[in-house]
Amino acid sequence: DSVLTQSPGTLSLSPGDRATLSCRASQSLRNRYLAWYQQKPGQAPRLLIYAASSRATGIPDRFSGSGSGTDFTLTIERLEPEDFAVYYCQQYGTSSFFGQGTKLEIK
Amino acid sequence: EVQLVQSAAEVKKPGESLKISCKASGDSFTSFWIGWVRQMPGKGLEWMGIIYPGDSDTRYSPSFQGQVTMSADKSINTAYLQFRSLKSSDTALYYCATTVAAIYHFENWGQGTRVTVSS
Repeated sequence: DSVLTQSPGTLSLSPGDRATLSCRASQSLRNRYLAWYQQKPGQAPRLLIYAASSRATGIPDRFSGSGSGTDFTLTIERLEPEDFAVYYCQQYGTSSFFGQGTKLEIK
Repeated sequence: EVQLVQSAAEVKKPGESLKISCKASGDSFTSFWIGWVRQMPGKGLEWMGIIYPGDSDTRYSPSFQGQVTMSADKSINTAYLQFRSLKSSDTALYYCATTVAAIYHFENWGQGTRVTVSS
């Protein structure tokens, strides 16, 4: 079975820092079908990035996605206080599931 | 942009049945698919399956096949997630979300329906 592994489990940073979150797939993702979501406590997830590197509508350009094959990265430049949340990656295409999440917390 | 409004929280006993809903507005109900995502307490997101309201074409995750039933009524722009016999392990927050293709990323999300199953 395919698996998505996110790392690290928790990332402790300060406002203004750069965050780098990783998502590794156990099988190569065709068409770079990989999305990133942000979820804050008590809220539904919000789509940030789709097709590995395309920003969703209204998402600031501080958020960027990259990668192909099995290794993907979400980068958040100049962290703002509202960016501290849990981030999930999702693969899609022939099947779909989510990674286990990375919690981005204030250091 | 599509807005999704989900039904209110439910508290049920084991063995009871339940049908929760997800009502769409803002776009043609047959121009997108609606998926369901489970989030158990303190846990991550799980892709349950997806339905196309236009013809009720449905795809289930193997983990949820036979455990839930997805349906839709395009006359009232509403999708449903049904549980035939609830278990305590069904306690979770259930989200509906839209996608433009069968197995794709989710663009718009409902606010979630919390289901609690307890004797």
